[in-house]
Amino acid sequence: AQSVAQPEDQVNVAEGNPLTVKCTYSVSGNPYLFWYVQYPNRGLQFLLKYITGDNLVKGSYGFEAEFNKSQTSFHLKKPSALVSDSALYFCAVRFATSGGYNKLIFGAGTRLAVHP
Amino acid sequence: DSGVTQTPKHLITATGQRVTLRCSPRSGDLSVYWYQQSLDQGLQFLIQYYNGEERAKGNILERFSAQQFPDLHSELNLSSLELGDSALYFCASGEKYQDTQYFGPGTRLTVL
Repeated sequence: AQSVAQPEDQVNVAEGNPLTVKCTYSVSGNPYLFWYVQYPNRGLQFLLKYITGDNLVKGSYGFEAEFNKSQTSFHLKKPSALVSDSALYFCAVRFATSGGYNKLIFGAGTRLAVHP
Repeated sequence: DSGVTQTPKHLITATGQRVTLRCSPRSGDLSVYWYQQSLDQGLQFLIQYYNGEERAKGNILERFSAQQFPDLHSELNLSSLELGDSALYFCASGEKYQDTQYFGPGTRLTVL
């Protein structure tokens, strides 16, 4: 069964420090992985995705994610955190339906708090 | 701005009532997805439509239904509302063979 886990409910980091938001997955076949961010009272915004190729994926707002097949992980990273990065972050894995259409399964979300 | 629009932004209603949430996908996207986000259940996939036809179902209650119209906008109908239906309802759109879904700003439903 396809699933995705975000082991941390909240991550606290000081501004300027590197940040990591963790995600692990379970999927049959090749994984298609995504990160989304949700700011307060807003919809989810697409950050980046891994389909194939380079294990380090670069996305919006300076974020990147590292795909690790052996550890079945897809951690989100940023070298230097900003207070404005404070938000709710969701990892997702693609699940292909029998009709060939795709739906996403989301993790529970991790709240990132960046302190000045 | 993702290009996906949802109306209304907020909806307050009473138990037992019926409401309709509306979504317009990004220009060119044929797929529409509906999600429910609540504090205790997280982000749950409800249903997907592609070019007017239902394609995938998730954790959607029988009291809920959806449809996608010829102009590709979609409506989610929630009936016999219960307190527990209070949540944020998101619509997302995407292309059939692409993987990225683009989310609208959501409709916050409050059932009193």
